[in-house]
Amino acid sequence: EPEVTQTPSHQVTQMGQEVILRCVPISNHLYFYWYRQILGQKVEFLVSFYNNEISEKSEIFDDQFSVERPDGSNFTLKIRSTKLEDSAMYFCASSERRINTEAFFGQGTRLTVV
Amino acid sequence: AQSVTQLDSQVPVFEEAPVELRCNYSSSVSVYLFWYVQYPNQGLQLLLKYLSGSTLVKGINGFEAEFNKSQTSFHLRKPSVHISDTAEYFCAVSLRGGKLSFGAGTTVTVRA
Repeated sequence: EPEVTQTPSHQVTQMGQEVILRCVPISNHLYFYWYRQILGQKVEFLVSFYNNEISEKSEIFDDQFSVERPDGSNFTLKIRSTKLEDSAMYFCASSERRINTEAFFGQGTRLTVV
Repeated sequence: AQSVTQLDSQVPVFEEAPVELRCNYSSSVSVYLFWYVQYPNQGLQLLLKYLSGSTLVKGINGFEAEFNKSQTSFHLRKPSVHISDTAEYFCAVSLRGGKLSFGAGTTVTVRA
């Protein structure tokens, strides 16, 4: 069964460093998303991406964040200068269409900023 | 904007007993509703979804949910739980697709 894959599963980084979280969405999907879940809190929407551009972003998704689809398969989330409060589980998701469909989630990347 | 309230943060339940997880949403327009499950140290897996049609939705692992438009609810039920149902359950809503807004989650702990 097709699935969304994320790498790495766990990343530890020093505060102020740049991190790139990687995702391979399901191959025929056109819409891509990043969500995050701070420990003990709800899952929050960060950004959606379609046709090589951001279609929607939340207030959390400030200038420190960027997304990219560098080739036909990968979808990345970059955090330029990590802060302690960026520590969270980051989920990538993809869907075939925008409406009348569901999003499929990856296993997540646990980011720990020290 | 839409929002989701999960009324129970923790639900302890004995094996083979029924369970109901409550979810209410607020939205001024039609929405899609979802229940996701997160097993320990794993990602989010879709249990079931309501897009349109029958208000009683059946999902995987014996779960079902009923959409009640007048009460703006989408409660999740299972008639008989197993130890393996121990997990966190998230109700989510979207405006006919696109981004999901999640509830805070309900932790279900099944005891023998």
